[in-house]
Amino acid sequence: ETGVTQSPTHLIKTRGQQVTLRCSSQSGHNTVSWYQQALGQGPQFIFQYYREEENGRGNFPPRFSGLQFPNYSSELNVNALELDDSALYLCASSFLVAGAGELFFGEGSRLTVL
Amino acid sequence: AQTVTQSQPEMSVQEAETVTLSCTYDTSESDYYLFWYKQPPSRQMILVIRQEAYKQQNATENRFSVNFQKAAKSFSLKISDSQLGDAAMYFCAYRKRPGNTPLVFGKGTRLSVIA
Repeated sequence: ETGVTQSPTHLIKTRGQQVTLRCSSQSGHNTVSWYQQALGQGPQFIFQYYREEENGRGNFPPRFSGLQFPNYSSELNVNALELDDSALYLCASSFLVAGAGELFFGEGSRLTVL
Repeated sequence: AQTVTQSQPEMSVQEAETVTLSCTYDTSESDYYLFWYKQPPSRQMILVIRQEAYKQQNATENRFSVNFQKAAKSFSLKISDSQLGDAAMYFCAYRKRPGNTPLVFGKGTRLSVIA
């Protein structure tokens, strides 16, 4: 089975621009979640998608949005980029069952906003 | 809101020795999971060990074990026979049950292993 893959691995944007980050979930997984990890910090939950619907969101503004596709791949979109959006963005997939579906993380996309 | 605190920003250990990483958490829930994740320079979060709050027995995975003190809301990770490959950031995380709730992470502890 394939793991979680994210693209791009690194990218640089300027303030005010928009960015799209992509995630391909592990085979068989129906849930994807996104986390933001600022330098020197632990990851912070952005949102989660289950069967193409958002079913949980952290304390992030609406300019952070996402999509999950029928093949369970996912996108994270950030509009009107700010300097503080510079971070590592981690995608995690899981298979939602009763109890804790273990999360499998990708290697992240490192975004730098200048 | 749940919070997770890791009070040791950095730790070091000699190869083959034992090290303990500390974690405390705050929650009003009684049913939850606790995790330790490892993040090497490759950046990928790797699950090290998981503890279910309703289980009194401390979880173990090979050289990794935890000391779970539910009343004290403490969850430490012990790494025995440390290896060079153990060098990484270690994150303590909390997850309320049921299992589709998000992870709440601490700020991490950077572990160095000295040959």
